[in-house]
Amino acid sequence: RKEVEQDPGPFNVPEGATVAFNCTYSNSASQSFFWYRQDCRKEPKLLMSVYSSGNEDGRFTAQLNRASQYISLLIRDSKLSDSATYLCVVVYSGAGSYQLTFGKGTKLSVIP
Amino acid sequence: DTGVSQDPRHKITKRGQNVTFRCDPISEHNRLYWYRQTLGQGPEFLTYFQNEAQLEKSRLLSDRFSAERPKGSFSTLEIQRTEQGDSAMYLCASSSEIGTSGQETQYFGPGTRLLVL
Repeated sequence: RKEVEQDPGPFNVPEGATVAFNCTYSNSASQSFFWYRQDCRKEPKLLMSVYSSGNEDGRFTAQLNRASQYISLLIRDSKLSDSATYLCVVVYSGAGSYQLTFGKGTKLSVIP
Repeated sequence: DTGVSQDPRHKITKRGQNVTFRCDPISEHNRLYWYRQTLGQGPEFLTYFQNEAQLEKSRLLSDRFSAERPKGSFSTLEIQRTEQGDSAMYLCASSSEIGTSGQETQYFGPGTRLLVL
């Protein structure tokens, strides 16, 4: 099992749709989780951190399920500008080791 | 611009040559990270520094790769005897230590795109 796996893409959705991405991780001791957004040929930019209790930022909702070892990102009312690749990040730090792992990313295309 | 900067933005080199990239982090950030990203993949962690100390190195970082952060500010990543497989985007990120949010946020530079012919 890969350390961090994401839904295979691409996701092609119409404007206004709701879309959800999942990301599973293998290290149960992982401590921090994030969603990044990356536009074509640009650097990744932090979209949101993922907290144990779940968190929301406008149209974006992130959730963490430690028992099943996955995080999710929900985008409501999709906009054309949401078209990008969404990367999940899982971090483990401890016992003299630091591991930060990105998923491969899921490409989202929002269609007019 | 107070973000992370990287130089050069693009580099074309011939196989066997050495290349060096520079990263200037956000000034108050004490942590600095290097990643490599190839097409269709997420960024792969290479190494990170806390101040001038290199605390972690990925197994991806072969002996041809070396990174330094001599004064705890800017960092350099050198690749010796480049190979075609080194062609990738090299990303730098910086962060400060965990704040009140309890999580560390990394801010990425624009990357250096390397092409080895």
